[in-house]
Amino acid sequence: DTGVSQDPRHKITKRGQNVTFRCDPISEHNRLYWYRQTLGQGPEFLTYFQNEAQLEKSRLLSDRFSAERPKGSFSTLEIQRTEQGDSAMYLCASSSEGARETQYFGPGTRLLVL
Amino acid sequence: LAKTTQPISMDSYEGQEVNITCSHNNIATNDYITWYQQFPSQGPRFIIQGYKTKVTNEVASLFIPADRKSSTLSLPRVSLSDTAVYYCLVGDMTSTNAGKSTFGDGTTLTVKP
Repeated sequence: DTGVSQDPRHKITKRGQNVTFRCDPISEHNRLYWYRQTLGQGPEFLTYFQNEAQLEKSRLLSDRFSAERPKGSFSTLEIQRTEQGDSAMYLCASSSEGARETQYFGPGTRLLVL
Repeated sequence: LAKTTQPISMDSYEGQEVNITCSHNNIATNDYITWYQQFPSQGPRFIIQGYKTKVTNEVASLFIPADRKSSTLSLPRVSLSDTAVYYCLVGDMTSTNAGKSTFGDGTTLTVKP
């Protein structure tokens, strides 16, 4: 078990470009979460999957953001027409459904929009 | 989910015991209390979780009073490497509300030599 992995670790893009991030959860985990974190703040929930179903989306997730988990394994988060305000660390976490669920986080993808 | 309140920052010295308290006055019956640690440029790491009374593992203890309106994370004999941000989360992980984990801004612990 290598833990949650995210790719890329860093991304620099120009305003208006599209970016896509990938998250590979721990293999036996059926839940997957995306968070966004800006400097000095705690992680903010974006969206959550149980298997391939997207069960929850935050109001922070504008229509420029889309997330998928097509086969219930890895997930992608796409940001279209990036804006400077999208610059942040994007964190992925996974967990097993259960009464004492613990989320395991990946290292994050740091996005800088110029 | 229950809103949590933590001190913004704390300072300590190597070898001391550190206690970080989190207030969660609106905790619900099904809510668990979970603490995470985060180093710069890394994702949060699970430290400890509890429902009531006291929980202890190899890195920390968690004290929860009978009314569950607060909790205290205790780190014994801290070292410089314990310098990090510590987050308290309260939530019901048995339902789809699990997707609404709210971290808050955490407590920045600085351990000095």
